[in-house]
Amino acid sequence: DAGVTQSPTHLIKTRGQQVTLRCSPKSGHDTVSWYQQALGQGPQFIFQYYEEEERQRGNFPDRFSGHQFPNYSSELNVNALLLGDSALYLCASSLGILSNQPQHFGDGTRLSIL
Amino acid sequence: SQKIEQNSEALNIQEGKTATLTCNYTNYSPAYLQWYRQDPGRGPVFLLLIRENEKEKRKERLKVTFDTTLKQSLFHITASQPADSATYLCALPDTGRRALTFGSGTRLQVQP
Repeated sequence: DAGVTQSPTHLIKTRGQQVTLRCSPKSGHDTVSWYQQALGQGPQFIFQYYEEEERQRGNFPDRFSGHQFPNYSSELNVNALLLGDSALYLCASSLGILSNQPQHFGDGTRLSIL
Repeated sequence: SQKIEQNSEALNIQEGKTATLTCNYTNYSPAYLQWYRQDPGRGPVFLLLIRENEKEKRKERLKVTFDTTLKQSLFHITASQPADSATYLCALPDTGRRALTFGSGTRLQVQP
């Protein structure tokens, strides 16, 4: 039973570029949430997707956008990259949109902005 | 807005002792609280969920308490082992109960 998989594992970009990160949820899960984790900090909620729609959004600018596909996989897009966007981006899947279910995390994509 | 505090200083203990980690929160009355473990370079792994009407919950060597009056959760690992060394994160639901708000985590180091 495959868990949450994310790609790529590492990525280096320069300021102003655009990036797309990908996530495949755990088998049987229908909800995907994205988190940003800066070094030494806890994950910070970006947004959640369920039934191919963004259901909730954290305090992130519109440069951060996403998509969920019919097979429940998801993408996170970040435009006009800033140095401060350097972080570990985590995808978490769950069954249903409520957070009273355990969140299953992938191992993340390490994004470095030069 | 809700605020979660975990001890940012690393906790160093000897193998076999009980590790106790603290999670304090303010400006919120969560219906439940979760604990996760995170190893370097890996994503968090769910450990336990405790609800507001549960004072204590156990899973093998893990024990979590939830005091809604003190607005505090304690996470205990009994008979600690070097393999327990990791960062432990507590997380509370946001007001919409969809997203989780995480603390910054406490790094536990168990010395053999």
